[in-house]
Amino acid sequence: DAKTTQPTSMDCAEGRAANLPCNHSTISGNEYVYWYRQIHSQGPQYIIHGLKNNETNEMASLIITEDRKSSTLILPHATLRDTAVYYCIVRVGGSAGSARQLTFGSGTQLTVLP
Amino acid sequence: DTGVSQDPRHKITKRGQNVTFRCDPISEHNRLYWYRQTLGQGPEFLTYFQNEAQLEKSRLLSDRFSAERPKGSFSTLEIQRTEQGDSAMYLCASSFGRTEETQYFGPGTRLLVL
Repeated sequence: DAKTTQPTSMDCAEGRAANLPCNHSTISGNEYVYWYRQIHSQGPQYIIHGLKNNETNEMASLIITEDRKSSTLILPHATLRDTAVYYCIVRVGGSAGSARQLTFGSGTQLTVLP
Repeated sequence: DTGVSQDPRHKITKRGQNVTFRCDPISEHNRLYWYRQTLGQGPEFLTYFQNEAQLEKSRLLSDRFSAERPKGSFSTLEIQRTEQGDSAMYLCASSFGRTEETQYFGPGTRLLVL
């Protein structure tokens, strides 16, 4: 699976959009981009994933560049509860019988400031 | 709550004792993963089940570790002769195997070996 690079930490003002970047320059055509977050002492929480197109759900938006070498997770109106470590993970699509474990890096510590 | 559950949430044990953790996945999910997370690091893959079959093990899973998933439902992770280095958060995740497989994590079991 392709390696990802994320900033170590970011701050964001409460109520503003949080834009978390991720570089994955060696991504392959069949690899998905997944975002998870982990609030202190809790299990990782799935946020969103995508392959080529931009995606949006109730939690966030995922913007993937046309060349797929980078992506941005957008939390449109950050709240204090969004303070967490955010992980960008690139992973090959699953197939019958094959493990598709997630390979977590160090992630980005997002701190939402009041 | 229909998410992934883990029991116990916390475990303190003395070095040399055996411990067992349980994971109950989301009911229709056929895949189950175990991860371990030490302080300040992202989760690391330990092992994977598809239904009742354990199909992959990480090199992190020493012979003191054993995992089972009888009847393809809940799973147990046992650590024999615990060592202080086993202190970590043990996370379970489940998914429904398909190309866009999304893993959902439980709250984790935090183990402290004294």
